[in-house]
Amino acid sequence: KAGVTQTPRYLIKTRGQQVTLSCSPISGHRSVSWYQQTPGQGLQFLFEYFSETQRNKGNFPGRFSGRQFSNSRSEMNVSTLELGDSALYLCASSRTVGGNTEAFFGQGTRLTVV
Amino acid sequence: SQQGEEDPQALSIQEGENATMNCSYKTSINNLQWYRQNSGRGLVHLILIRSNEREKHSGRLRVTLDTSKKSSSLLITASRAADTASYFCATDAVFKGAQKLVFGQGTRLTINP
Repeated sequence: KAGVTQTPRYLIKTRGQQVTLSCSPISGHRSVSWYQQTPGQGLQFLFEYFSETQRNKGNFPGRFSGRQFSNSRSEMNVSTLELGDSALYLCASSRTVGGNTEAFFGQGTRLTVV
Repeated sequence: SQQGEEDPQALSIQEGENATMNCSYKTSINNLQWYRQNSGRGLVHLILIRSNEREKHSGRLRVTLDTSKKSSSLLITASRAADTASYFCATDAVFKGAQKLVFGQGTRLTINP
């Protein structure tokens, strides 16, 4: 079974631009979560999608948005990029079995804003 | 915040020694999980301990959970250089009506050869 796939792996953008990151979850997983990881702030939750609906949202500005498609693939978009958006963006698909949720992470997209 | 907090933030030990990391959390949980992250990569699930369990083993890993103190510990025995990584605890709980995993800030473990 293929794991979680994130594309692209690396990205360099200029301040003010926008960026779209993609995540393909493990087959059969309907939940996809996004996290931002920086050295200073650690692993921060962005949002979670389940069956094409945003189910949870972290404390990020409206410049960060996402969506999920009918095949559970998810995209996140960051508009008007700022230098502080440079980070590793991680996607995780998860399943809940017997009341326990386990997350499976992709390798991440390293975004550098210059 | 219901976020878990790992302690210590960084740990450096010699190969062969045991490494212990702690995690504290604030709310009731369904389970607590430990993940490992190699530098700049995704997180890998290590072990899950349910709220009604007190101790769990997996190879060289031993996890304990004390729900009365809202804390957990991860012990890695006979450490190896390849164990160098960041370790995160995550609490699995219902938050604002939806089940979600909440990660701590992580412990950066360095094993010196």
